[in-house]
Amino acid sequence: DAKTTQPTSMDCAEGRAANLPCNHSTISGNEYVYWYRQIHSQGPQYIIHGLKNNETNEMASLIITEDRKSSTLILPHATLRDTAVYYCIVRVLSGAGSYQLTFGKGTKLSVIP
Amino acid sequence: EAGVAQSPRYKIIEKRQSVAFWCNPISGHATLYWYQQILGQGPKLLIQFQNNGVVDDSQLPKDRFSAERLKGVDSTLKIQPAKLEDSAVYLCASSMTGGLYEQYFGPGTRLTVT
Repeated sequence: DAKTTQPTSMDCAEGRAANLPCNHSTISGNEYVYWYRQIHSQGPQYIIHGLKNNETNEMASLIITEDRKSSTLILPHATLRDTAVYYCIVRVLSGAGSYQLTFGKGTKLSVIP
Repeated sequence: EAGVAQSPRYKIIEKRQSVAFWCNPISGHATLYWYQQILGQGPKLLIQFQNNGVVDDSQLPKDRFSAERLKGVDSTLKIQPAKLEDSAVYLCASSMTGGLYEQYFGPGTRLTVT
């Protein structure tokens, strides 16, 4: 089962920063937080991941709280092409001993012109 | 670099028929995944391969689903016989290892069972 909680949907004005929250209050000390997004009719796309430090790449920034119980994905200047479902995932070690991504329902981000 | 390729993109079959999906991962990626995504939900992992061996198939309905990855490259997922509830998008993904590396997803195959 997914170990994260995200809002069902959010709107953001084009050109503004989009801040997508995620709650993962039961995260363990060695579990990573991953973010993927899925644009309509496409496969999911990796965005960023982190453990406890804030991370930034060309797509987004990931801010993880000091207690690691929540995080925020920031798209600094949202465009219409950022309209998608955003998944916050805690990567877990499966019973088979492999690391897996368990997707929840994500947040539907709509960027408004 | 070329992405994950899947075919067909769309398939419509009647219940009790069989169907097969094909996936060609990114060159050099040892780990391959098959996911099922039902409308309105996130992808659900069905099976994970490391090279040509199965790492985890605990969520694969083995009475009707089967998958193979011969020679550790291409993979095929089969459903026989199909049920109405198998209508979904079947996504293939690959990664360099099963560790911290990100997964790259293909466009998926949309299956409709009537």
